[in-house]
Amino acid sequence: SYVLTQPPSVSVAPGKTATITCGGNNIGSKSVQWYQQKSGQAPVLVISYDVERPSGIPERFSASNSGNTATLTISRVEAGDEADYSCQVWDTTTDHPGVFGGGTKLTVL
Amino acid sequence: QMQLVESGGGLVKPGGSLRLSCAASGFIFSDYSMNWIRQAPGKGLEWISHISTGGGTIYYADSVKGRFTISRDNARNSLYLQMNNLRAEDKAIYYCARGQGYILGDYWGQGTPVTVSS
Repeated sequence: SYVLTQPPSVSVAPGKTATITCGGNNIGSKSVQWYQQKSGQAPVLVISYDVERPSGIPERFSASNSGNTATLTISRVEAGDEADYSCQVWDTTTDHPGVFGGGTKLTVL
Repeated sequence: QMQLVESGGGLVKPGGSLRLSCAASGFIFSDYSMNWIRQAPGKGLEWISHISTGGGTIYYADSVKGRFTISRDNARNSLYLQMNNLRAEDKAIYYCARGQGYILGDYWGQGTPVTVSS
């Protein structure tokens, strides 16, 4: 099974830049999605197809994907960005293709 | 406006069964694949099943294969998850999510909780 590895936690001060990584074998060849989940709420898609922001997602959210690492970057972090962030791929090489990373808790100091 | 509403969760004994439903509105349900995704207490998201637009392609995670069955009724704009032989480790919030290409969930319901305990 394909495995996505995320750091359990990332901390950042308000106004600074947060970087959350998602590691996977040759993940650069796959399409990566990122989800934000605030406490007690359902997840929200914030990045699709590696770099695309759905309607309503601030430009402060950006992402990249290359080699063995995909990265979500949140610029000018706000208190309201505090949440769990999970990466996701669809692994077409298997009959259980849905894969999530373990999630990263972003704490705004 | 787009909405997904799950129902059917609750408390069940180990070995028991539950049927979850997800009612969709605000979009053409038959145009989209659908997924069930769960989240155990304090844990990350776990994809458990996918069904294509017409129901002809279905996938399951190894953790539920042989015990859970996904289905859909496009005439009723509804998605289902039949869960049999439930185990303590199936305790989680179960979300239905609209799929699109490689995206497991561009829209999610609010989830329905399932507890498996004697």
